Amino acid sequence: DAGITQSPRHKVTETGTPVTLRCHQTENHRYMYWYRQDPGHGLRLIHYSYGVKDTDKGEVSDGYSVSRSKTEDFLLTLESATSSQTSVYFCAISGGLDNEQFFGPGTRLTVL
Amino acid sequence: AQSVTQLDSHVSVSEGTPVLLRCNYSSSYSPSLFWYVQHPNKGLQLLLKYTSAATLVKGINGFEAEFKKSETSFHLTKPSAHMSDAAEYFCVVSLLKAAGNKLTFGGGTRVLVKP
Repeated sequence: DAGITQSPRHKVTETGTPVTLRCHQTENHRYMYWYRQDPGHGLRLIHYSYGVKDTDKGEVSDGYSVSRSKTEDFLLTLESATSSQTSVYFCAISGGLDNEQFFGPGTRLTVL
Repeated sequence: AQSVTQLDSHVSVSEGTPVLLRCNYSSSYSPSLFWYVQHPNKGLQLLLKYTSAATLVKGINGFEAEFKKSETSFHLTKPSAHMSDAAEYFCVVSLLKAAGNKLTFGGGTRVLVKP
């Protein structure tokens, strides 16, 4: 398995609170991605990074921000969590443009 | 723009019988296509990928998929289902850009295997 971990694995929080999810990799891959998974929608891209301090938006980026200060870490922040952000969040990494993406184990987030 | 449609949200098969999961895609460019599998409460695992080489692609665990450009399809098949194949399957199209490999997922097909 690719060396990719996510923390926390489960989190319950309240509406309006900030939340940060962490993705950590040991593969030294350039590309990192954050997705959310909701029933019937597959996975949808939130944000991605193509290098340290280089990030871009995906298709569902509203309400989320990201940061990548080191190659190995990619943080996803919900500045003020809402119930619509209840979901399972997956991080993925890729070594190159044409390489497959390897997925982490996921974080289940519940916003009450 | 690119999109992926998985034509069946649920498929039920008996153990030992063939499995067919249907996928149609739309892409403005020559696409790369993937099938991923997700077992309950697990992350996603790559089954196979098509990147403009042979149109019949073999993957892990006996799965294969055929790329048909004229039909814009990339259906996944397995000749004989096993109980361990019960999972959710995602068809994925890739848009390669200079700043990242952006994947677009289909809605998923949940496979039930009956003994």
